[in-house]
Amino acid sequence: DTGVSQDPRHKITKRGQNVTFRCDPISEHNRLYWYRQTLGQGPEFLTYFQNEAQLEKSRLLSDRFSAERPKGSFSTLEIQRTEQGDSAMYLCASSPTGGAADTQYFGPGTRLTVL
Amino acid sequence: AQTVTQSQPEMSVQEAETVTLSCTYDTSENNYYLFWYKQPPSRQMILVIRQEAYKQQNATENRFSVNFQKAAKSFSLKISDSQLGDTAMYFCAFIDSYGRDDKIIFGKGTRLHILP
Repeated sequence: DTGVSQDPRHKITKRGQNVTFRCDPISEHNRLYWYRQTLGQGPEFLTYFQNEAQLEKSRLLSDRFSAERPKGSFSTLEIQRTEQGDSAMYLCASSPTGGAADTQYFGPGTRLTVL
Repeated sequence: AQTVTQSQPEMSVQEAETVTLSCTYDTSENNYYLFWYKQPPSRQMILVIRQEAYKQQNATENRFSVNFQKAAKSFSLKISDSQLGDTAMYFCAFIDSYGRDDKIIFGKGTRLHILP
């Protein structure tokens, strides 16, 4: 078991460009979560999937953000027309079945810098 | 709305000392889980310890223990015999047992430095 992986680890982009991040959860984990962590803050929930279904989206996830998990395995998070305020660490986590008792295992994150 | 507050932005202790990190939270729920997560400088978050609200006994994991005071809504982490590898950001976190979305609510964190 290799843990949750995320790619890329770092992304620098210019304002207005689109970016896409990938998350590979632990094998056979049904739940997958996206969080955003800005400097000096704890992670904030963005959205989560149960298999391929996206079940909840935070109000933090504006229309410029879209997330998919097409086959219930890896997930992508796309940000269109990036803004400087999007600069943050984007964390992915997965858990076996979901529910408050399940441990969420976090990936190393993708650090986005928007110039 | 549930909130988690960590009042100590940064702390430093000498190696082998004991350190306590504070956390308070606010919720109207009766059953929930509380966590301490560690985020080392490499940034991968790992779970240190968890506590279920209906369990009165404080959780322990080796050198890590908690002091859970449900009535006071307080959840502190004690690290005994601190080691250099304990240097990290520590986040107190909350999840509602009956929440539909399993989202974890994190505090702002405490940066802990273990000094040689």
